[in-house]
Amino acid sequence: SQQGEEDPQALSIQEGENATMNCSYKTSINNLQWYRQNSGRGLVHLILIRSNEREKHSGRLRVTLDTSKKSSSLLITASRAADTASYFCATAPSGGSYIPTFGRGTSLIVHP
Amino acid sequence: DTGVSQDPRHKITKRGQNVTFRCDPISEHNRLYWYRQTLGQGPEFLTYFQNEAQLEKSRLLSDRFSAERPKGSFSTLEIQRTEQGDSAMYLCASSTGQATPEAGELFFGEGSRLTVL
Repeated sequence: SQQGEEDPQALSIQEGENATMNCSYKTSINNLQWYRQNSGRGLVHLILIRSNEREKHSGRLRVTLDTSKKSSSLLITASRAADTASYFCATAPSGGSYIPTFGRGTSLIVHP
Repeated sequence: DTGVSQDPRHKITKRGQNVTFRCDPISEHNRLYWYRQTLGQGPEFLTYFQNEAQLEKSRLLSDRFSAERPKGSFSTLEIQRTEQGDSAMYLCASSTGQATPEAGELFFGEGSRLTVL
């Protein structure tokens, strides 16, 4: 079963614009992670935010976490054509789970 | 290259045949995961090893599926009597799992794409 669900399913923007993706989940979590996947390739870890953190930055990425709403957002600023990929959130339920569970992903297309 | 490697990258087989995939994790990683991904979906958890011990299996892992990790190093995922519904990308990932007991960053291989005719 998919714990997290990303929204929107697809996003199309112009280069230079910001891209925002959202993730909602159902149970209490230890942490939430965002991954990126280029077509036909494996996933690449982008950022991990723990349940006691509210915001985290990494380069052009900004992740927020609202545990009261069970939701997270990933913001990519000043997007580039090379950011075109699918983005997935993965949650690890609280209680010492070792298993990240992925959502269906957001497909991002950045037009040059 | 010291990343996670998977072999083969592509496998085409006929229904009813057996297939085996291999995953070589990052050498110091003690956790190893197998996920399955179909088109337009996110990765779905199949099974997880801590060193050589298989600690959890998904209900997706029918009795036709078996995974091993002898000596806590590489892992194999075998599918017996393949069905067309087994067509998917099989992803392997590893993680250190040493700093904290919770799930941390996963390092994925490029996947093994299975097509069952």
